[in-house]
Amino acid sequence: AQSVAQPEDQVNVAEGNPLTVKCTYSVSGNPYLFWYVQYPNRGLQFLLKYITGDNLVKGSYGFEAEFNKSQTSFHLKKPSALVSDSALYFCAVRDPNDYKLSFGAGTTVTVRA
Amino acid sequence: NAGVMQNPRHLVRRRGQEARLRCSPMKGHSHVYWYRQLPEEGLKFMVYLQKENIIDESGMPKERFSAEFPKEGPSILRIQQVVRGDSAAYFCASSLDLGGRGNEQFFGPGTRLTVL
Repeated sequence: AQSVAQPEDQVNVAEGNPLTVKCTYSVSGNPYLFWYVQYPNRGLQFLLKYITGDNLVKGSYGFEAEFNKSQTSFHLKKPSALVSDSALYFCAVRDPNDYKLSFGAGTTVTVRA
Repeated sequence: NAGVMQNPRHLVRRRGQEARLRCSPMKGHSHVYWYRQLPEEGLKFMVYLQKENIIDESGMPKERFSAEFPKEGPSILRIQQVVRGDSAAYFCASSLDLGGRGNEQFFGPGTRLTVL
């Protein structure tokens, strides 16, 4: 069985400061990992994915994520947060032999001006 | 290239009525997935369909819920005799195929169902 944990319900940062949203996963074999962002009353937008290769993955809007196999983590990062980054962020995992995405409960990010 | 389309965006039903949610996948995508997002929770897988076939409905409630993806037209998620607990956001996603590695699923804007 596959699962994802996002240990923080909320993350609050000041604009211009680094932003980190944590994610740990559990899956048999090598995972496919994804980050999505959801703005109020909107659908999920794909940010980035890790399939294989370089552990540091760069995605949309200046976000990046680092895959750490030993810690089974895939934390989302942005060096300098913007107020417009305020949204709900979901980490998701998929077993390579499966098609179902398993989502974490989400982390609400608030960036204050 | 239009993204995944869902309609209606908002749907209000009274208890006992039927709800029909529609999803048109991205052009060229033949794999459709439905997920449900309950308040304060992440998305939960419901069903995976290809054209005219239900591949996996393990996440669907056993009663009142059904899904189809006909040869022509959108995928439909149907909820009969809705109850208040069905109130949620229902998201549809599509992907190109499963042959390639790590094909991401592209999500529609969702249908927010409110049962009065």
